[in-house]
Amino acid sequence: NAGVTQTPKFQVLKTGQSMTLQCAQDMNHEYMSWYRQDPGMGLRLIHYSVGAGITDQGEVPNGYNVSRSTTEDFPLRLLSAAPSQTSVYFCASSYRFLSGYTEAFFGQGTRLTVV
Amino acid sequence: QQPVQSPQAVILREGEDAVINCSSSKALYSVHWYRQKHGEAPVFLMILLKGGEQKGHEKISASFNEKKQQSSLYLTASQLSYSGTYFCGTAITGNQFYFGTGTSLTVIP
Repeated sequence: NAGVTQTPKFQVLKTGQSMTLQCAQDMNHEYMSWYRQDPGMGLRLIHYSVGAGITDQGEVPNGYNVSRSTTEDFPLRLLSAAPSQTSVYFCASSYRFLSGYTEAFFGQGTRLTVV
Repeated sequence: QQPVQSPQAVILREGEDAVINCSSSKALYSVHWYRQKHGEAPVFLMILLKGGEQKGHEKISASFNEKKQQSSLYLTASQLSYSGTYFCGTAITGNQFYFGTGTSLTVIP
């Protein structure tokens, strides 16, 4: 099993450009989420999904869009990149949310730099 | 919404013990603990459920006090391999899962 696969691993964008971070899982997990990790701030929730066709905002959703057309895929779109979006992005999935009773599996992360 | 961890950083010698605390201002459904090595993804350690359960993983254990909305991670007889950043994760609302601010643990020989 591949688990959770994120692409790309590294990306440099110019301010104002848009891009999509890809996330795919092959474990038939219902719950998927995106986090950004910044020094001293831990992992902050951007968006999450409890199943195909259902998404919702987390703690820091501004500047990001998501969609969930299939169970496997949960892409994160940066609409107009800003230097403040320079960060490491992690996608995570778990079997079901059920008030957090199942462990989260993480992708390897995408290191994004906006110049 | 984000739980607060303390301490922010700790340095230990091999064999010493450490405690990492996780505190939330909101009621918790459950608490997770993860460890992240430098440049890698977080890896799951354990889940604690309501009822004050104490779980164990090798020489790492944890407790969950739902009344105080707190959890603590106990690392005993630390090994070099324990170095990394530890995160607690909490389910606060029905579908939102938040991670703490992180605690950097360095074990030296």
